[in-house]
Amino acid sequence: QQQVKQSPQSLIVQKGGISIINCAYENTAFDYFPWYQQFPGKGPALLIAIRPDVSEKKEGRFTISFNKSAKQFSLHIMDSQPGDSATYFCAASMRAGNMLTFGGGTRLMVKP
Amino acid sequence: KAGVTQTPRYLIKTRGQQVTLSCSPISGHRSVSWYQQTPGQGLQFLFEYFSETQRNKGNFPGRFSGRQFSNSRSEMNVSTLELGDSALYLCASSSRVNTGELFFGEGSRLTVL
Repeated sequence: QQQVKQSPQSLIVQKGGISIINCAYENTAFDYFPWYQQFPGKGPALLIAIRPDVSEKKEGRFTISFNKSAKQFSLHIMDSQPGDSATYFCAASMRAGNMLTFGGGTRLMVKP
Repeated sequence: KAGVTQTPRYLIKTRGQQVTLSCSPISGHRSVSWYQQTPGQGLQFLFEYFSETQRNKGNFPGRFSGRQFSNSRSEMNVSTLELGDSALYLCASSSRVNTGELFFGEGSRLTVL
């Protein structure tokens, strides 16, 4: 499996601020890029996903930006809330398959 | 719909023993994947099953095996346990093989002493 690098490892944001998490991948065969959110004691839950034919996808306060030439994609959480405090994982797969390669995760803390 | 159910939730084993973990997917989901989550290695793909057939396998030794039954329920087995096998084992189900939209269970936390 090819690597997906995620940064930062941890992030502290004030309530109402913007949280930004970045990921970079190596394998140009990846064609599906989901983000998962995981709360302590729970399994990851799909948050939002993007395919490389679009540069941006927005769902509510969550936006994925995708840069195919740079092989990078990022998650932006607008108006961050304490309830967003969780670990976020980016991932990638080929042919939108179910074999996901995950980034290392970002622990987000939103301070009230 | 009920979510993905994994049993047992917690278990403690000693080195050299074997363990079997069970996963019941969301009703109607025929694809089941297994992932290992550890603080050091993060989330790593173990294998995926669809219609009782293994479709993909991650880079894990042969001590890790799995199977899927005709009702889509899945089990994974780890034989000759090592300390490094201590991890959260997550099962995920999906309605199709090429959707990338996985629904994870809460995991089985294995501690090897």
